[in-house]
Amino acid sequence: SQKIEQNSEALNIQEGKTATLTCNYTNYSPAYLQWYRQDPGRGPVFLLLIRENEKEKRKERLKVTFDTTLKQSLFHITASQPADSATYLCALAGSSNTGKLIFGQGTTLQVKP
Amino acid sequence: NAGVMQNPRHLVRRRGQEARLRCSPMKGHSHVYWYRQLPEEGLKFMVYLQKENIIDESGMPKERFSAEFPKEGPSILRIQQVVRGDSAAYFCASSPPAERNTIYFGEGSWLTVV
Repeated sequence: SQKIEQNSEALNIQEGKTATLTCNYTNYSPAYLQWYRQDPGRGPVFLLLIRENEKEKRKERLKVTFDTTLKQSLFHITASQPADSATYLCALAGSSNTGKLIFGQGTTLQVKP
Repeated sequence: NAGVMQNPRHLVRRRGQEARLRCSPMKGHSHVYWYRQLPEEGLKFMVYLQKENIIDESGMPKERFSAEFPKEGPSILRIQQVVRGDSAAYFCASSPPAERNTIYFGEGSWLTVV
Protein backbone atom coordinates (compact mmCIF):
# COMPACT_ATOMS: atom_id res chain seq x y z
CA SER A 1 0.00 0.00 0.00
CA GLN A 2 1.02 3.62 -0.44
CA LYS A 3 3.08 4.91 2.42
CA ILE A 4 4.62 8.25 3.34
CA GLU A 5 7.17 8.48 6.09
CA GLN A 6 8.34 11.56 7.89
CA ASN A 7 10.68 11.52 10.83
CA SER A 8 8.36 11.06 13.79
CA GLU A 9 10.92 12.37 16.24
CA ALA A 10 10.93 16.09 16.85
CA LEU A 11 13.79 18.03 15.34
CA ASN A 12 15.48 20.48 17.70
CA ILE A 13 17.91 23.01 16.28
CA GLN A 14 19.53 26.25 17.28
CA GLU A 15 18.36 29.56 15.85
CA GLY A 16 20.30 30.53 12.73
CA LYS A 17 21.02 26.94 11.67
CA THR A 18 19.49 25.15 8.70
CA ALA A 19 16.68 22.72 9.44
CA THR A 20 16.34 19.73 7.11
CA LEU A 21 13.22 17.58 7.14
CA THR A 22 12.81 14.34 5.22
CA CYS A 23 9.84 12.81 3.43
CA ASN A 24 10.12 9.29 2.00
CA TYR A 25 7.41 7.44 0.13
CA THR A 26 6.82 3.94 -1.24
CA ASN A 27 4.45 2.31 -3.70
CA TYR A 28 3.54 5.62 -5.27
CA SER A 29 4.44 7.72 -8.28
CA PRO A 30 3.25 11.21 -7.42
CA ALA A 31 2.83 13.89 -10.03
CA TYR A 32 3.77 16.46 -7.44
CA LEU A 33 4.61 16.87 -3.79
CA GLN A 34 3.68 19.62 -1.37
CA TRP A 35 4.85 20.85 2.00
CA TYR A 36 2.55 22.40 4.58
CA ARG A 37 3.08 24.00 7.96
CA GLN A 38 0.67 23.33 10.83
CA ASP A 39 0.62 25.11 14.18
CA PRO A 40 -1.18 23.57 17.19
CA GLY A 41 -4.93 23.99 16.93
CA ARG A 42 -4.73 25.50 13.44
CA GLY A 43 -5.24 24.34 9.88
CA PRO A 44 -2.34 23.43 7.58
CA VAL A 45 -0.85 26.29 5.59
CA PHE A 46 0.48 25.64 2.09
CA LEU A 47 4.19 26.39 1.66
CA LEU A 48 5.59 24.91 -1.54
CA LEU A 49 4.66 22.60 -4.40
CA ILE A 50 7.23 20.75 -6.52
CA ARG A 51 6.40 18.72 -9.60
CA GLU A 52 7.84 15.34 -10.60
CA ASN A 53 9.95 16.91 -13.35
CA GLU A 54 11.47 19.52 -11.00
CA LYS A 55 14.54 18.83 -8.89
CA GLU A 56 14.49 21.85 -6.63
CA LYS A 57 12.28 24.77 -5.69
CA ARG A 58 12.97 27.80 -3.52
CA LYS A 59 10.86 30.40 -1.77
CA GLU A 60 12.60 32.92 0.45
CA ARG A 61 14.31 30.86 3.20
CA LEU A 62 12.67 27.62 2.10
CA LYS A 63 14.07 25.05 -0.31
CA VAL A 64 12.53 21.77 -1.42
CA THR A 65 14.18 18.98 -3.39
CA PHE A 66 12.41 16.07 -5.05
CA ASP A 67 14.21 12.88 -6.06
CA THR A 68 11.79 10.50 -7.78
CA THR A 69 14.49 7.82 -8.04
CA LEU A 70 15.12 7.78 -4.30
CA LYS A 71 11.43 8.50 -3.68
CA GLN A 72 12.39 11.26 -1.32
CA SER A 73 11.88 14.96 -0.74
CA LEU A 74 13.99 17.16 1.50
CA PHE A 75 12.66 20.38 2.99
CA HIS A 76 15.18 22.97 4.16
CA ILE A 77 14.68 26.11 6.23
CA THR A 78 17.79 28.26 6.23
CA ALA A 79 18.62 30.81 8.93
CA SER A 80 15.93 29.26 11.10
CA GLN A 81 14.03 31.37 13.64
CA PRO A 82 11.99 30.45 16.73
CA ALA A 83 8.90 31.50 14.73
CA ASP A 84 9.60 28.59 12.38
CA SER A 85 8.74 26.17 15.20
CA ALA A 86 5.76 24.12 13.99
CA THR A 87 4.83 20.76 12.51
CA TYR A 88 5.68 20.35 8.84
CA LEU A 89 3.61 18.02 6.67
CA CYS A 90 4.57 16.38 3.42
CA ALA A 91 1.77 15.54 0.98
CA LEU A 92 1.67 13.64 -2.31
CA ALA A 93 -0.81 13.76 -5.17
CA GLY A 94 -1.36 11.76 -8.32
CA SER A 95 -1.84 13.22 -11.73
CA SER A 96 -5.54 13.81 -11.44
CA ASN A 97 -5.11 17.53 -10.81
CA THR A 98 -7.20 17.56 -7.70
CA GLY A 99 -6.66 18.42 -4.09
CA LYS A 100 -6.89 14.79 -3.06
CA LEU A 101 -3.64 14.43 -1.14
CA ILE A 102 -1.93 11.74 0.90
CA PHE A 103 -0.29 13.27 3.96
CA GLY A 104 2.59 12.15 6.09
CA GLN A 105 2.23 12.37 9.85
CA GLY A 106 4.48 15.38 10.01
CA THR A 107 7.70 16.32 11.73
CA THR A 108 7.73 18.79 14.60
CA LEU A 109 10.48 21.37 14.41
CA GLN A 110 11.60 23.28 17.49
CA VAL A 111 13.99 26.20 16.93
CA LYS A 112 15.66 27.35 20.13
CA PRO A 113 16.85 30.94 20.56
CA ASN B 1 -10.13 38.00 0.50
CA ALA B 2 -11.42 35.88 3.33
CA GLY B 3 -9.96 32.43 3.71
CA VAL B 4 -11.81 29.14 4.06
CA MET B 5 -14.35 29.58 6.85
CA GLN B 6 -15.37 26.69 9.02
CA ASN B 7 -17.88 26.56 11.83
CA PRO B 8 -18.28 25.66 14.50
CA ARG B 9 -14.64 25.66 15.59
CA HIS B 10 -15.46 23.39 18.51
CA LEU B 11 -18.41 21.06 18.88
CA VAL B 12 -19.32 18.68 21.69
CA ARG B 13 -21.84 15.95 21.04
CA ARG B 14 -23.11 13.03 23.08
CA ARG B 15 -22.93 9.56 21.61
CA GLY B 16 -25.84 8.99 19.24
CA GLN B 17 -26.35 12.66 18.36
CA GLU B 18 -25.75 14.26 14.99
CA ALA B 19 -22.89 16.60 14.13
CA ARG B 20 -23.05 19.12 11.29
CA LEU B 21 -19.91 20.89 10.20
CA ARG B 22 -20.04 23.79 7.76
CA CYS B 23 -17.49 25.11 5.33
CA SER B 24 -17.51 28.19 3.12
CA PRO B 25 -14.71 28.05 0.52
CA MET B 26 -12.57 30.98 -0.48
CA LYS B 27 -14.19 33.40 -2.89
CA GLY B 28 -13.94 32.10 -6.44
CA HIS B 29 -13.16 28.54 -5.35
CA SER B 30 -15.61 25.93 -6.59
CA HIS B 31 -13.85 22.81 -5.32
CA VAL B 32 -14.16 21.69 -1.71
CA TYR B 33 -12.37 18.90 0.15
CA TRP B 34 -12.91 17.46 3.61
CA TYR B 35 -10.08 15.89 5.60
CA ARG B 36 -10.05 14.30 9.04
CA GLN B 37 -7.19 14.37 11.52
CA LEU B 38 -7.51 11.81 14.28
CA PRO B 39 -5.42 12.20 17.43
CA GLU B 40 -1.83 11.10 16.79
CA GLU B 41 -2.59 10.45 13.12
CA GLY B 42 -2.04 12.33 9.90
CA LEU B 43 -4.60 14.10 7.79
CA LYS B 44 -6.78 11.70 5.83
CA PHE B 45 -8.78 12.61 2.73
CA MET B 46 -12.52 12.05 3.07
CA VAL B 47 -14.40 13.60 0.15
CA TYR B 48 -14.07 15.96 -2.81
CA LEU B 49 -17.05 18.01 -3.98
CA GLN B 50 -17.93 20.58 -6.56
CA LYS B 51 -21.15 22.53 -6.55
CA GLU B 52 -24.02 20.03 -6.34
CA ASN B 53 -21.72 17.09 -7.16
CA ILE B 54 -19.71 14.57 -5.19
CA ILE B 55 -16.60 13.91 -7.26
CA ASP B 56 -14.70 11.49 -5.03
CA GLU B 57 -15.92 10.05 -1.74
CA SER B 58 -13.41 7.22 -1.51
CA GLY B 59 -12.26 8.31 1.95
CA MET B 60 -15.68 8.55 3.54
CA PRO B 61 -16.74 5.90 6.04
CA LYS B 62 -19.49 3.82 4.50
CA GLU B 63 -22.05 4.57 7.16
CA ARG B 64 -23.21 7.60 9.13
CA PHE B 65 -21.11 10.12 7.17
CA SER B 66 -22.40 12.27 4.31
CA ALA B 67 -21.34 15.47 2.59
CA GLU B 68 -22.95 17.98 0.31
CA PHE B 69 -22.08 21.21 -1.43
CA PRO B 70 -25.35 22.82 -2.57
CA LYS B 71 -25.71 25.41 -5.29
CA GLU B 72 -26.23 28.05 -2.64
CA GLY B 73 -24.65 28.03 0.79
CA PRO B 74 -21.78 26.27 2.48
CA SER B 75 -20.60 22.70 2.18
CA ILE B 76 -21.88 20.49 4.99
CA LEU B 77 -20.25 17.40 6.50
CA ARG B 78 -22.84 15.47 8.44
CA ILE B 79 -22.10 12.72 10.93
CA GLN B 80 -25.10 10.82 12.22
CA GLN B 81 -25.23 8.85 15.48
CA VAL B 82 -21.74 9.93 16.52
CA VAL B 83 -19.47 7.56 18.42
CA ARG B 84 -16.37 8.32 20.50
CA GLY B 85 -14.14 7.29 17.61
CA ASP B 86 -15.49 10.20 15.56
CA SER B 87 -13.72 12.65 17.88
CA ALA B 88 -11.23 14.40 15.63
CA ALA B 89 -10.39 17.62 13.86
CA TYR B 90 -12.24 17.99 10.57
CA PHE B 91 -10.62 20.28 8.04
CA CYS B 92 -12.19 21.75 4.95
CA ALA B 93 -10.07 22.95 2.06
CA SER B 94 -10.84 24.64 -1.24
CA SER B 95 -9.08 25.20 -4.54
CA PRO B 96 -9.67 27.42 -7.55
CA PRO B 97 -10.90 25.82 -10.77
CA ALA B 98 -7.72 26.59 -12.69
CA GLU B 99 -5.26 25.33 -10.11
CA ARG B 100 -6.75 22.41 -8.27
CA ASN B 101 -3.34 21.17 -7.16
CA THR B 102 -3.07 23.82 -4.49
CA ILE B 103 -5.58 23.66 -1.70
CA TYR B 104 -6.17 26.12 1.12
CA PHE B 105 -7.32 24.84 4.46
CA GLY B 106 -9.66 26.31 6.99
CA GLU B 107 -8.87 26.36 10.69
CA GLY B 108 -10.80 23.19 11.33
CA SER B 109 -13.76 22.03 13.38
CA TRP B 110 -12.85 20.08 16.53
CA LEU B 111 -15.48 17.47 17.34
CA THR B 112 -15.53 15.87 20.77
CA VAL B 113 -17.93 13.02 21.42
CA VAL B 114 -18.70 12.40 25.08
